Amino acid sequence: DIQMTQSPSSLSASVGDRVTITCRASQNVGTNLNWYQQKPGKAPKILIYATSTLQSGVPSRFIGSGSGTHFTLTISNLQPEDFATYCCQQTYSVPYTFGQGTKLEIK
Amino acid sequence: QVQLVQSGAEVKKPGASVKVSCKASGYTFTSYDVSWVRQAPGQGLEWMGWMKPHSGNTYYAPKFQGRVTMTRNTSISTAYMELSSLGSEDTAVYYCARTLWEVLDSWGQGTLVTVSS
Repeated sequence: DIQMTQSPSSLSASVGDRVTITCRASQNVGTNLNWYQQKPGKAPKILIYATSTLQSGVPSRFIGSGSGTHFTLTISNLQPEDFATYCCQQTYSVPYTFGQGTKLEIK
Repeated sequence: QVQLVQSGAEVKKPGASVKVSCKASGYTFTSYDVSWVRQAPGQGLEWMGWMKPHSGNTYYAPKFQGRVTMTRNTSISTAYMELSSLGSEDTAVYYCARTLWEVLDSWGQGTLVTVSS
């Protein structure tokens, strides 16, 4: 199975800040990488698919980039509703594995 | 609007089986795959597999092979996930998700399955 490792596992930031979350794959996954946002007690929500394509309705302050084994999710101008857990998922080869998640908290 | 409504919480004893349903509405059920993902308390997401409602074809993650069965009833636009030989490590919230080109774009609300003696 492809292992997905996110860093950091948690971080604190303030409204208006810019943050970057990293996701590394144990082997090449091309650009088959999705990002999800999850709030406590809720189902995940797709933010970005195929590394950098924004899902319809997702604000443009969310930016995904990378390829191969190294990927990033950058959130600019953090808004109160952005404080949540973010998770990457590779869909290059089955089983489609997730990272362990990065919890973004308000400083 | 697209909606996936899952069955309610379950409490099962070790060794038992559980069957979770996922009723789809707001789209053509047979035009999208259905994935199943679980999340143990305080843990990350774990992908279990998918089913193609049109054909009934399935793929199960090796970890669950032999214990999981994904089925559907197209006449009522409902997908099912049955997990057998439950152990305490199977205590989790189980989610179904509409899937297209490996993007899980709409999710059910989740079903908590608790395994306890």
